[in-house]
Amino acid sequence: GAGVSQSPSNKVTEKGKDVELRCDPISGHTALYWYRQSLGQGLEFLIYFQGNSAPDKSGLPSDRFSAERTGGSVSTLTIQRTQQEDSAVYLCASSPRAGNREKLFFGSGTQLSVL
Amino acid sequence: GESVGLHLPTLSVQEGDNSIINCAYSNSASDYFIWYKQESGKGPQFIIDIRSNMDKRQGQRVTVLLNKTVKHLSLQIAATQPGDSAVYFCAEMAGANSKLTFGKGITLSVRP
Repeated sequence: GAGVSQSPSNKVTEKGKDVELRCDPISGHTALYWYRQSLGQGLEFLIYFQGNSAPDKSGLPSDRFSAERTGGSVSTLTIQRTQQEDSAVYLCASSPRAGNREKLFFGSGTQLSVL
Repeated sequence: GESVGLHLPTLSVQEGDNSIINCAYSNSASDYFIWYKQESGKGPQFIIDIRSNMDKRQGQRVTVLLNKTVKHLSLQIAATQPGDSAVYFCAEMAGANSKLTFGKGITLSVRP
């Protein structure tokens, strides 16, 4: 597609359930980033991929969070045993390559609500 | 710890006036800065960037100023329009291959 696509756009889940969030980056972009945005807050870095590998996972809040990327394209962010504090907008971004001053192109995000 | 922050949470301007959005950063190693605009329900959109070897950079109706001495970044929007209403984020990067760190954001509201 023309831009970064994220699905679902909204997800409501019960505490304790697992959720999967999907990101489809811009075709040809090798770098993919996940950020989290809580209400009225800035963007919190979670993880980034260069190709299928994740050189920086330092932002993942706990071991309940994991992400993978296959085929150098689509990425999924999985949150296990969701907690209410996981409620936020999860944003995905891609760039032609990691670092080196490449600007990020963001998707519209997935609004996650944990009840 | 290192952080990027904004001086004011909200800014209200009259349509047609110029807007100035300020940002302070604390990481002296930061050498690349970006301003993003986020409209309601959308992801952040790139506005303009500046490298640390520059003091000023101009785009269409926007200018970014960088003062490395006081670690201050500003975004100037000329002739502000209703479509400029959004949340604006400054972000910084310290060295190639480092991650982009965002500030908390400031809401710009344009009065008709």
